[in-house]
Amino acid sequence: EPEVTQTPSHQVTQMGQEVILRCVPISNHLYFYWYRQILGQKVEFLVSFYNNEISEKSEIFDDQFSVERPDGSNFTLKIRSTKLEDSAMYFCASSPQGVGNTGELFFGEGSRLTVL
Amino acid sequence: GEDVEQSLFLSVREGDSSVINCTYTDSSSTYLYWYKQEPGAGLQLLTYIFSNMDMKQDQRLTVLLNKKDKHLSLRIADTQTGDSAIYFCAESWGGGADGLTFGKGTHLIIQP
Repeated sequence: EPEVTQTPSHQVTQMGQEVILRCVPISNHLYFYWYRQILGQKVEFLVSFYNNEISEKSEIFDDQFSVERPDGSNFTLKIRSTKLEDSAMYFCASSPQGVGNTGELFFGEGSRLTVL
Repeated sequence: GEDVEQSLFLSVREGDSSVINCTYTDSSSTYLYWYKQEPGAGLQLLTYIFSNMDMKQDQRLTVLLNKKDKHLSLRIADTQTGDSAIYFCAESWGGGADGLTFGKGTHLIIQP
């Protein structure tokens, strides 16, 4: 069964370093998302991406965050200069239709980011 | 803004029914969802309900929606050890916007 894959599963980095989290969405999906979950807190929406551009983003998704679909398969989240509070589990998701059309979100297993 | 609240833990005996509750704030939500997360895995959609429905049943799962009170519940009949997971309630944003607001998740613990 097709699935969303994320790498790395766990990354430890020093504060101020750049981090790139990678995702391979399901191949025929058109909508892509990043969510994050800080330990013990809610799963929070970061950004949605459709047709090679950001369609929605949250207040969390400030200038230090960026997303890219560099080729036909990868979808990346870059954090330019990590802060301690960026430590979280980052989930990538994809959807064939988008949430507005009750498209189911298919989530990856997550990438745990630890900032020291 | 949107907010979704749910209790953090629920403990039930194997074979009993589990009822996981959730409250939400956005009355313009079109769909409400239950996602399940097993250890080491991503979130997986269990079921969803359209906002003009009161109830939806799917095998052992029953979803009840009280739109007036903005209350959503998930009932799992004949709870099994394999149901042990974190269950997330989520609401879609209104107006066709493309995002979900999740709760913190309820850890369902099954006692033998």
